[in-house]
Amino acid sequence: EAGVTQFPSHSVIEKGQTVTLRCDPISGHDNLYWYRRVMGKEIKFLLHFVKESKQDESGMPNNRFLAERTGGTYSTLKVQPAELEDSGVYFCASSQISGIGNNEQFFGPGTRLTVL
Amino acid sequence: SQKIEQNSEALNIQEGKTATLTCNYTNYSPAYLQWYRQDPGRGPVFLLLIRENEKEKRKERLKVTFDTTLKQSLFHITASQPADSATYLCALNSGGYQKVTFGTGTKLQVIP
Repeated sequence: EAGVTQFPSHSVIEKGQTVTLRCDPISGHDNLYWYRRVMGKEIKFLLHFVKESKQDESGMPNNRFLAERTGGTYSTLKVQPAELEDSGVYFCASSQISGIGNNEQFFGPGTRLTVL
Repeated sequence: SQKIEQNSEALNIQEGKTATLTCNYTNYSPAYLQWYRQDPGRGPVFLLLIRENEKEKRKERLKVTFDTTLKQSLFHITASQPADSATYLCALNSGGYQKVTFGTGTKLQVIP
């Protein structure tokens, strides 16, 4: 069974440009999460989808970030316009069972975003 | 504010010994505590989950304890091997759809 996949693995853009990150969860997993790790800091929650609906988006930094999950399958995270402080590693995770802390989350390898 | 503290310095131990990693938290009442392993360039991999009403949980060479009075979890790897070298993250959640909060992780190096 394929794990969580993310694309691209690495993206280098200039400040002010737009970048779209993609996550393909494990097939059949209704729950999809986005996280971000800024260098030297802990992994921080961004948002949580249950199927195509946003269950919790309290971790989204600001309105330059837009996440979608059309059809409840893959998800995209768009940053527009990108700022220097958006640099970091963006992780996607998925899980099968409802709820967050009481079940295993499967993480993708992450997308390393560098904003110059 | 909620805070999760893990040893920021790397932990170096000799192969065959038991590694013990600490996770302390403040201003938090977690219902669940999870431990993850992360290798360089990869995403975290789930290892163990322990609930607030559980004192201890084991899985093969891994053991986790959870003391809600001390607000602390200990993560043990017995008979450690060089392949256990990685960063270990603890993560807390208050239950239901509440978001998961991660610690910064502790880097473990097992020396042959």
